[in-house]
Amino acid sequence: GAVVSQHPSRVICKSGTSVKIECRSLDFQATTMFWYRQFPKKSLMLMATSNEGSKATYEQGVEKDKFLINHASLTLSTLTVTSAHPEDSSFYICSATAGAGGPYEQYFGPGTRLTVT
Amino acid sequence: GQNIDQPTEMTATEGAIVQINCTYQTSGFNGLFWYQQHAGEAPTFLSYNVLDGLEEKGRFSSFLSRSKGYSYLLLKELQMKDSASYLCAPIDSNYQLIWGAGTKLIIKP
Repeated sequence: GAVVSQHPSRVICKSGTSVKIECRSLDFQATTMFWYRQFPKKSLMLMATSNEGSKATYEQGVEKDKFLINHASLTLSTLTVTSAHPEDSSFYICSATAGAGGPYEQYFGPGTRLTVT
Repeated sequence: GQNIDQPTEMTATEGAIVQINCTYQTSGFNGLFWYQQHAGEAPTFLSYNVLDGLEEKGRFSSFLSRSKGYSYLLLKELQMKDSASYLCAPIDSNYQLIWGAGTKLIIKP
């Protein structure tokens, strides 16, 4: 149980275009979803936290107009990288928990490797 | 501020035992997770400690000392597939996981 999927697993796009990444909890209802990015050999960097039906909470330094997050249902959250640039190339990972306000285990998706040319 | 300190890299031999240490400083504390992350993949859950002491789960055990801000992950009977990064992630007062860069464990035959 507790499977999280992400789509696509890899994407290459041209500079200036937008890319949407989907994160789905397949066998549980995800009250809270998290979006991370990770550079090679670096720690996970939390970008934003989203609860179903409400606006995402972005971490300091993350541009909310550039990284659009929509948590439309208890099983789906999307991250759209708008007007992507080469510096946005990274490994994007989502995670989900079945609870809120507690130390719940985060179930991670397999990640999406974005390359912007 | 919040800080995680783990060794950057460790090397061990197949079949041996290795202990990965983690010291942390967080604003508030609500437990600590250990995750395993293979190269190019997302992290997977290993353990959760909230009380002092040792939690054993098969070949992996995790220890916590809240007063010392210290945890370790103990891996026994090492296998080649255990080559991965191991992430110590304490939880702060806002129930947010604080991630460090992790420890890259290299297993040699």
